[in-house]
Amino acid sequence: SQTIHQWPATLVQPVGSPLSLECTVEGTSNPNLYWYRQAAGRGLQLLFYSVGIGQISSEVPQNLSASRPQDRQFILSSKKLLLSDSGFYLCAWSRVETSGRNTDTQYFGPGTRLTVL
Amino acid sequence: AQKITQTQPGMFVQEKEAVTLDCTYDTSDQSYGLFWYKQPSSGEMIFLIYQGSYDEQNATEGRYSLNFQKARKSANLVISASQLGDSAMYFCAMSENYGGSQGNLIFGKGTKLSVKP
Repeated sequence: SQTIHQWPATLVQPVGSPLSLECTVEGTSNPNLYWYRQAAGRGLQLLFYSVGIGQISSEVPQNLSASRPQDRQFILSSKKLLLSDSGFYLCAWSRVETSGRNTDTQYFGPGTRLTVL
Repeated sequence: AQKITQTQPGMFVQEKEAVTLDCTYDTSDQSYGLFWYKQPSSGEMIFLIYQGSYDEQNATEGRYSLNFQKARKSANLVISASQLGDSAMYFCAMSENYGGSQGNLIFGKGTKLSVKP
């Protein structure tokens, strides 16, 4: 079975500090990977998605970046955090068939709650 | 324009009764997928059910069923025999370009369901 891990679970960081959130998936290969942010009491906003190693697409311009150094590892980073970066960050994966067709159902990790002070 | 609309910010239901959570969507694609996710207070997004635009039968998963009315562009979630553990936020989501390489999901703002004992 497949599992998805995120760490850390919670993080409190000062404004201007760097950020690194990590997401790993087990039990599948060549998944599509996604980073979302959820502001308090709001829906999910897609930040980045990746269809393969080194392939990153950004949905929202901001001071965040993403990288996929390995097939099942997805990292969200920032060089200098802003107050507006506070929120709940969720990583998700979806299965891609050998034909290249994405199966669309996304499975989410437990999330990281980030507070920027 | 909003692509996924959930008009009920909050809903109450008596334990053991059925409840319907509303979702309408807007797309010009012929091929799309519709999803429901549950988010308990822990924050994790739990996949519940999905419906493909070409599926003629309404999707069912245990106590969850999706009332898909294509002409009305609605995809309501029906939870039968509500349980206290059903209290959570519920999000409707849509995937355009269904089965394409990306599979990005667009989420509604959610409905908070509270089950009363």
